[in-house]
Amino acid sequence: LAKTTQPISMDSYEGQEVNITCSHNNIATNDYITWYQQFPSQGPRFIIQGYKTKVTNEVASLFIPADRKSSTLSLPRVSLSDTAVYYCLVGDDAGGTSYGKLTFGQGTILTVHP
Amino acid sequence: EAGVAQSPRYKIIEKRQSVAFWCNPISGHATLYWYQQILGQGPKLLIQFQNNGVVDDSQLPKDRFSAERLKGVDSTLKIQPAKLEDSAVYLCASSPLAGSSYEQYFGPGTRLTVT
Repeated sequence: LAKTTQPISMDSYEGQEVNITCSHNNIATNDYITWYQQFPSQGPRFIIQGYKTKVTNEVASLFIPADRKSSTLSLPRVSLSDTAVYYCLVGDDAGGTSYGKLTFGQGTILTVHP
Repeated sequence: EAGVAQSPRYKIIEKRQSVAFWCNPISGHATLYWYQQILGQGPKLLIQFQNNGVVDDSQLPKDRFSAERLKGVDSTLKIQPAKLEDSAVYLCASSPLAGSSYEQYFGPGTRLTVT
C-alpha cells in the first residue's frame, strides 16, 4: 500500500479556506485517494474520494495533480466545528474483485480558532 | 438510516480478564471491519469480514483476540486475556459493497481501559 505523508497539525481561523496537502509519491495506477474526518470520541467519517483532477461535494474539494503524487483537501470557510483530525488514505478501490483495506496514518490535527 | 451500533461504549477491566465488544452494522452492509485505535494514532484494521467469512485478519493478535460474525450481520470481538497495551478504542465499521469500498461507515467505538 502506498505510504502517505501529511502535516501533523494545522491552525486556521473561522471563515478561512483550509488546504491540507498529502504526499503519496509511490501511488499505484489503480489507487484512489480518500479522506476521512474524525472528531474526538467519534469514529472516522468519510469526506471525499478521487482518482484524478478535481472532485467536489457539499463538504470539501479534492485536488489531484496530473502526476497524482500528492493531493490537497480543501475546506471552504471553516468553522469551529471543523476542528478534527483529517486522514489521507491511498489504496486500491477496484471494486468487486479486491477488498478495500484502509491504512490510516497519524492524520492532520486541524484546529480552527475563533 | 440507522448507523453502526456498538456496545458497550466504555469498559474498564483488569489485565488478564476477558472482554467482548458487540457491533451491529448498517442494515444490508456486506462488509464489516474491526479497528483498534490507540490514543494519538490512526485506526488499525484488526479484521475484515465479508458476510460471515473472514477476508483479512493479518493484524489480529490471534493468541488473545477473536472475532466472529454469525449469520453475516452482528459481530463480536473478544479479548482473552487482556493486556495493558490493549487499552484503546475499538471501532466497528461497515460498507455496502460486497467487494472493495473505501467509503466505510464507522460506529462510535468502545473505549477499553485495562488496568
